[in-house]
Amino acid sequence: DVKVTQSSRYLVKRTGEKVFLECVQDMDHENMFWYRQDPGLGLRLIYFSYDVKMKEKGDIPEGYSVSREKKERFSLILESASTNQTSMYLCASSRTGTQGNQPQHFGDGTRLSIL
Amino acid sequence: AQSVTQPDIHITVSEGASLELRCNYSYGATPYLFWYVQSPGQGLQLLLKYFSGDTLVQGIKGFEAEFKRSQSSFNLRKPSVHWSDAAEYFCAVGAFSGGYQKVTFGTGTKLQVIP
Repeated sequence: DVKVTQSSRYLVKRTGEKVFLECVQDMDHENMFWYRQDPGLGLRLIYFSYDVKMKEKGDIPEGYSVSREKKERFSLILESASTNQTSMYLCASSRTGTQGNQPQHFGDGTRLSIL
Repeated sequence: AQSVTQPDIHITVSEGASLELRCNYSYGATPYLFWYVQSPGQGLQLLLKYFSGDTLVQGIKGFEAEFKRSQSSFNLRKPSVHWSDAAEYFCAVGAFSGGYQKVTFGTGTKLQVIP
């Protein structure tokens, strides 16, 4: 089975801090994704990566950056954390298929609180 | 661009009763459709997927979904709900857009199961 591991289940940080969320997958998937999940808004895509050192903006990239130095690892960075970034963050990975038909596999999420 | 609508935010059913969760999508070409389930404090788990062929697809945990192109729908069903089915359910549509695989999620339906 695919395993997507997020480094922290719960994280509490202060406004202005630089925050790193780490995600590792063990199935050699090409694609990796970062979402944030808020009540009533579903999952919103922050950034994704389809190859090492490649990244693409999703729907809500403002205030975030990402890093993918190795195929199995995808990091989400909050450059200067703000209270409106308090949320559940979900990492996912998938294999490249034709026409986008490969399901994504998710980690258990990181619940981040910014005080 | 694709979009997904889950019109029911919250549904309550009695244990043993049948269940149908609604999902409508908008996409200009052949859709690739998914249903995911999220238990409290967990990531998303794939229940089933539709790529092509038979419009009735079977998934895990006794769930099934039917693709109806004429209605742009992909409703999830289960004949008899168990208390352990209480969770949040997300419908999603996947496609290649601008050369990248993109999945758009609905806002979710929270299922409550009462004894």
